[in-house]
Amino acid sequence: DQQVKQNSPSLSVQEGRISILNCDYTNSMFDYFLWYKKYPAEGPTFLISISSIKDKNEDGRFTVFLNKSAKHLSLHIVPSQPGDSAVYFCAARLSGGSEKLVFGKGTKLTVNP
Amino acid sequence: DTEVTQTPKHLVMGMTNKKSLKCEQHMGHRAMYWYKQKAKKPPELMFVYSYEKLSINESVPSRFSPECPNSSLLNLHLHALQPEDSALYLCASSQPLRYTQYFGPGTRLTVL
Repeated sequence: DQQVKQNSPSLSVQEGRISILNCDYTNSMFDYFLWYKKYPAEGPTFLISISSIKDKNEDGRFTVFLNKSAKHLSLHIVPSQPGDSAVYFCAARLSGGSEKLVFGKGTKLTVNP
Repeated sequence: DTEVTQTPKHLVMGMTNKKSLKCEQHMGHRAMYWYKQKAKKPPELMFVYSYEKLSINESVPSRFSPECPNSSLLNLHLHALQPEDSALYLCASSQPLRYTQYFGPGTRLTVL
């Protein structure tokens, strides 16, 4: 039973345009959501997070939006750069201070020059 | 400094070998994690140590044995592994009960 779903395995965008990566979840007990970026043969790098009590968090070119009623979050990258090409994982943490993150399967983003 | 280091970077071992993976962090984090990641899959949690005590074991086979000698170090002892255990093994750390985990670069393990 997959609690965090990233339904698009891949996404291709042009440099300078917006990249939108989507994530859906099924468990309403998640209280934090995180996005990680992963290059091949490297560990995931933390990008940005959002608490379930907020609907938007912004950090430079990266913005995460949370729609609790739809159990949906998205990561916007504006403007996209070729160096953003990587696999992006959505992750969620159960409320109550759980130490466990539940990861989606990832979306491979390719930004074309 | 958000660095987690892992050694070795690559490891090839036979099914009868005993080897260890090492992880170190100097961020003062008191929670440390082992994950396993197969190709085109998300990281899967294996173990969590909180304040040097094992707090989560995700029903991992006993051929994987974690150890946390102190708050900065985390080991994963490997014995009698199977070829299907070949994967990228990731270490992460965080402050306990905080949600942001910082990952190391991983050890690419191949079991022959």
